[in-house]
Amino acid sequence: QKEVEQNSGPLSVPEGAIASLNCTYSDRGSQSFFWYRQYSGKSPELIMFIYSNGDKEDGRFTAQLNKASQYVSLLIRDSQPSDSATYLCAVNMLSRGTGNQFYFGTGTSLTVIP
Amino acid sequence: EAQVTQNPRYLITVTGKKLTVTCSQNMNHEYMSWYRQDPGLGLRQIYYSMNVEVTDKGDVPEGYKVSRKEKRNFPLILESPSPNQTSLYFCASSGTENSPLHFGNGTRLTVT
Repeated sequence: QKEVEQNSGPLSVPEGAIASLNCTYSDRGSQSFFWYRQYSGKSPELIMFIYSNGDKEDGRFTAQLNKASQYVSLLIRDSQPSDSATYLCAVNMLSRGTGNQFYFGTGTSLTVIP
Repeated sequence: EAQVTQNPRYLITVTGKKLTVTCSQNMNHEYMSWYRQDPGLGLRQIYYSMNVEVTDKGDVPEGYKVSRKEKRNFPLILESPSPNQTSLYFCASSGTENSPLHFGNGTRLTVT
């Protein structure tokens, strides 16, 4: 059973539009949620993290968390061609071993069309 | 500069020849982990470590070993590599188990 699920896409949006990326997770007790951007062949880079229900904004990015629905999303406003990348959702969950583990979705590929 | 450093960046080896991929962080982070990334499968955790001398299996530990003798270092050891371990590997660290992960630049391993 997958722990974190994302729509793999590809998702295409025109330049200047809003891109909406979605993620669901299986563990209702999860406390920490992260969005990473990954360009092909490169390492993931952190965009946003969110711990509480509601919205969190940082520049053109907004993360939304709904723990009751076990759902986290990322909105990218005024999308730019440089936003074209794969976006990874990560959730920190209690593991089967010691402490917590980070679980990643398989990523959503976003293309912003000039 | 705060960073996670992996070496080597690229590695081509043959089946059965033991290898080690090094990982070092300079942020005094307690939590470190190793992932492999394969097309269509995303990032899968191999091993993680909560602190010195504390390591635990992730979701795909078979064929791998790790050690955490010092806080800054977390090497990944493949005792007898096989072709199905050909992958892109990432080391990552975080200050606490709930803080964001910081990733190294990755190691692309090919086993022939």
